[in-house]
Amino acid sequence: GEDVEQSLFLSVREGDSSVINCTYTDSSSTYLYWYKQEPGAGLQLLTYIFSNMDMKQDQRLTVLLNKKDKHLSLRIADTQTGDSAIYFCAEIGLTGFQKLVFGTGTRLLVSP
Amino acid sequence: DTEVTQTPKHLVMGMTNKKSLKCEQHMGHRAMYWYKQKAKKPPELMFVYSYEKLSINESVPSRFSPECPNSSLLNLHLHALQPEDSALYLCASSQGGTDYEQYFGPGTRLTVT
Repeated sequence: GEDVEQSLFLSVREGDSSVINCTYTDSSSTYLYWYKQEPGAGLQLLTYIFSNMDMKQDQRLTVLLNKKDKHLSLRIADTQTGDSAIYFCAEIGLTGFQKLVFGTGTRLLVSP
Repeated sequence: DTEVTQTPKHLVMGMTNKKSLKCEQHMGHRAMYWYKQKAKKPPELMFVYSYEKLSINESVPSRFSPECPNSSLLNLHLHALQPEDSALYLCASSQGGTDYEQYFGPGTRLTVT
């Protein structure tokens, strides 16, 4: 089955680093994604990683993938108040090549 | 340009009404998607169109009827909805084939009274 779990809430101070974690169960996952959703808005694709990679960096964002433990993380450096949002990880597996399965979402609150 | 547009932004409808949600993209994408998102929950896939053909229907009730008139447009026709269908309806698109980056629209907030 496909289960993607995230912690519900993370609170950090402006300027700190944030680390949002995600665990998944589908070992056939090929791509893993991070999306950001601000209140009342759609989802913004932040970054993604292919399953044969273990790290990807894109400006303030670093994605780490531990395929053995089925663990994915998103690190946001120098977190800003504008980063406050819900962050979803998502996977696509070989069994459903177009079907994105989303995690439960982590609400990030950045205080000044 | 990675823009997906959706209309209307908000919709309130009674259980006997018929209405449609519209989605448009001009990125040349060949796959388009409808997702439903309830409050404080992740989006759930409803339908996928690939090259204008319905390729995935996630056992959605027939009161939701998708339509893909051409590769840029995706509609969701609504009829005889229930209050529990109130949600944010999100459209997304991707290149299709082996390109899996899905880009989302801002959504339509639907309230069924």
